[in-house]
Amino acid sequence: RKEVEQDPGPFNVPEGATVAFNCTYSNSASQSFFWYRQDCRKEPKLLMSVYSSGNEDGRFTAQLNRASQYISLLIRDSKLSDSATYLCVVNILAAGNKLTFGGGTRVLVKP
Amino acid sequence: DADVTQTPRNRITKTGKRIMLECSQTKGHDRMYWYRQDPGLGLRLIYYSFDVKDINKGEISDGYSVSRQAQAKFSLSLESAIPNQTALYFCATSETGTGGETQYFGPGTRLLVL
Repeated sequence: RKEVEQDPGPFNVPEGATVAFNCTYSNSASQSFFWYRQDCRKEPKLLMSVYSSGNEDGRFTAQLNRASQYISLLIRDSKLSDSATYLCVVNILAAGNKLTFGGGTRVLVKP
Repeated sequence: DADVTQTPRNRITKTGKRIMLECSQTKGHDRMYWYRQDPGLGLRLIYYSFDVKDINKGEISDGYSVSRQAQAKFSLSLESAIPNQTALYFCATSETGTGGETQYFGPGTRLLVL
């Protein structure tokens, strides 16, 4: 079983719609969580950290469910520019403070 | 100018050849990392370094070696390239912290081993 699993998609989303997707992690000792965005053939960039209480950044909302070991990302009012691959990232401090990446969820926003 | 740069950006080589991928950063970060990305597998850590005198193996270090020449430079070598090392390679940096610090990635090097 992969440490961090994501639905690869693609999620085809009409412009203006809401899309949400999850990421599950297997190690209960995971302590920090992030969503990174990766555009085609580009480097990953941090989109947002995920806090226990949930957090929002504009149209993006991230939530953490420790009991069920998953994090989620919700995008409201999708824009064409939101088309990208979203990488779920987990940090396990006890494992040497390294990041573990999921395989990514591809989102395609269409007019 | 980009904070994290990688050279070359694209490379085609033949099986058995030795190649080096270079990474430089101007962010002043102590921590540097090398990852490879394959379709559907996400990024996998090859080697990482928390300071100039520190080198650590990641989950897929076999067939690779690294050199941390200075705080700003971290090179990845493939001693004898093989076709399954064809991938997109990323260098990344981060600040020293208590955990969960942001990683900043270079633009990547596309490597094709024939």
